[in-house]
Amino acid sequence: AQSVSQHNHHVILSEAASLELGCNYSYGGTVNLFWYVQYPGQHLQLLLKYFSGDPLVKGIKGFEAEFIKSKFSFNLRKPSVQWSDTAEYFCAVRGLNTGNQFYFGTGTSLTVIP
Amino acid sequence: DTGVSQDPRHKITKRGQNVTFRCDPISEHNRLYWYRQTLGQGPEFLTYFQNEAQLEKSRLLSDRFSAERPKGSFSTLEIQRTEQGDSAMYLCASSTRTAEGNEQFFGPGTRLTVL
Repeated sequence: AQSVSQHNHHVILSEAASLELGCNYSYGGTVNLFWYVQYPGQHLQLLLKYFSGDPLVKGIKGFEAEFIKSKFSFNLRKPSVQWSDTAEYFCAVRGLNTGNQFYFGTGTSLTVIP
Repeated sequence: DTGVSQDPRHKITKRGQNVTFRCDPISEHNRLYWYRQTLGQGPEFLTYFQNEAQLEKSRLLSDRFSAERPKGSFSTLEIQRTEQGDSAMYLCASSTRTAEGNEQFFGPGTRLTVL
């Protein structure tokens, strides 16, 4: 079965600091990769996605992620975080040959201190 | 609001009771998913519909759980004889196939508390 690992469970940063959240998955075939964000009191929203092509994908609010196939990784980055980025971040993967199940990581809670 | 909606948003029930949740997907989306999320965890896949057909079910979906999507639009998730371990957030998502792939849009969830 597929699995997704998010190494950082809780991250605390000051505003303007750079962010990198790790995501590794276990699946040997072709994948679709996603980062979702859940702001306090709100539902899950898509930050960015990778389906194919350029492994560096850009999403909303200045976020980007890089797919490194050899490392089975899809790390999320932002050069300068803001207080409003305080949220829970989830990495998700869908293996294209394993049906339509999406597998989510356990999430990373980000707190940005003003 | 044209997003995914779920009803109710909160449900408190006593152990042993049956509960039913409803999900209304984005109108043009033919794919619908149910997930369960517990504290400190990511969403766990429960089941998937394409139109009215239930095509995939997780092993997490015990025989006390049943989901339907009778007309290929809204869906219901029923839990019979609820147990305290069923307490969780139940999420619904919908999607449609695009040239790029399959992106899911999530609803706000139904929080179930079993006393």
